[in-house]
Amino acid sequence: EVQLVESGGGLVQPGGSLRLSCAASGFSFSSYTMTWVRQAPGKGLEWVSHISSSGAAIFYADSVKGRFTISRDNDKDSLYLQMNSLRDEDTAVYYCARWEGVVVVAFDIWGQGTMVTVSS
Amino acid sequence: DIQMTQSPSTLSASIGDKVTITCRASQSFSSWLAWYQQKPGNAPKLLIYRASSLESGVPSRFSGSASGTEFTLTISSLQPDDFATYYCQLYNTNTWTFGQGTKVDLK
Repeated sequence: EVQLVESGGGLVQPGGSLRLSCAASGFSFSSYTMTWVRQAPGKGLEWVSHISSSGAAIFYADSVKGRFTISRDNDKDSLYLQMNSLRDEDTAVYYCARWEGVVVVAFDIWGQGTMVTVSS
Repeated sequence: DIQMTQSPSTLSASIGDKVTITCRASQSFSSWLAWYQQKPGNAPKLLIYRASSLESGVPSRFSGSASGTEFTLTISSLQPDDFATYYCQLYNTNTWTFGQGTKVDLK
């Protein structure tokens, strides 16, 4: 079964750090671009970051640039998001999603999400 | 950057109704537009890709179309399982943008 499972969310104070993980299974992880998408409580979806299959190409939304770092370990079939200098507005459910950029050109597989709460 | 305007934000409909949701882009781009369905507490689910192609396993009552910078998701006959929030999403040269979402609820 194709699956993405996020972990690492929790409560953190403003200015703090958190590292999210996403474990992939059921597909060739190293062949796919991966992304993080977040959703603040009661709000819409926001693309956060993207990393190419090899890790050579990385992009960030302006809202997180300079504070968040995306990475991957293809040997461990895992995606990561290091979040530093967290702000109240970073509170959201964070989803990892597979970007299929050849056939469907869309986010075709999503994890269940992990909640990050930034609050003092 | 291309901006997406999705409308309406809320849509009240009855079982069996035909439902139409629209996303308009601020400028033209390749038709790499997708539609997702999200139910409360769940992750989004891909419904339509490349503006009009139905994802495997998605009921045929869902369809997508494009005309210039306007993209439309249509549910031909609304079913109880369709009450959810729908998002459009465009891709254009390393930029991924979601629409604001449309919540479909029971009239």
